[in-house]
Amino acid sequence: KAGVTQTPRYLIKTRGQQVTLSCSPISGHRSVSWYQQTPGQGLQFLFEYFSETQRNKGNFPGRFSGRQFSNSRSEMNVSTLELGDSALYLCASSSLTSGLTKFFGPGTRLTVL
Amino acid sequence: TQLLEQSPQFLSIQEGENLTVYCNSSSVFSSLQWYRQEPGEGPVLLVTVVTGGEVKKLKRLTFQFGDARKDSSLHITAAQPGDTGLYLCAGEGYNAGNMLTFGGGTRLMVKP
Repeated sequence: KAGVTQTPRYLIKTRGQQVTLSCSPISGHRSVSWYQQTPGQGLQFLFEYFSETQRNKGNFPGRFSGRQFSNSRSEMNVSTLELGDSALYLCASSSLTSGLTKFFGPGTRLTVL
Repeated sequence: TQLLEQSPQFLSIQEGENLTVYCNSSSVFSSLQWYRQEPGEGPVLLVTVVTGGEVKKLKRLTFQFGDARKDSSLHITAAQPGDTGLYLCAGEGYNAGNMLTFGGGTRLMVKP
């Protein structure tokens, strides 16, 4: 089975712009979670989608949003980018059969200038 | 808010040495997971512990979940350069859905 894929792998934006990141989960996985990883804060939970519905949301401002499509692919959007949004954005997929096991993608490295 | 404190933050040791990484919280978790992350990649799950007092062994790695389900440790015996990486503990709280709370990570370097 192919692993979790994330596109693009690297992105450079300027303050005030918006960005959309994409995540394709492992085939058959219906749960997709997003995490932000920074040197100062570590890995922080953004949100989780299951069957196109947001099930859980972390403590991030409304500029961070996401969605999931019927094929389980997910996108996250960050509007009005700030310097502090520079981070590695990780997506993880899981399924009922994988139980507690989450499979992470390689991440999208976002740099905001 | 559930927090996981991981220590030490950095560890640089010689090949063949033993080491222990700790993960502590004041909160109770339904399960605790350990991940290893290498540069340019996402975290990869090493183990999940779900029962208080549980000990799991994975070759030279030994994982323990505290009796009270608030803490965990990872012990590596005879570390190898291939063990180099960022080790992360992550807890799943009760009623947290599918959300993981991560510790700050331990960056391990094993020198040959």
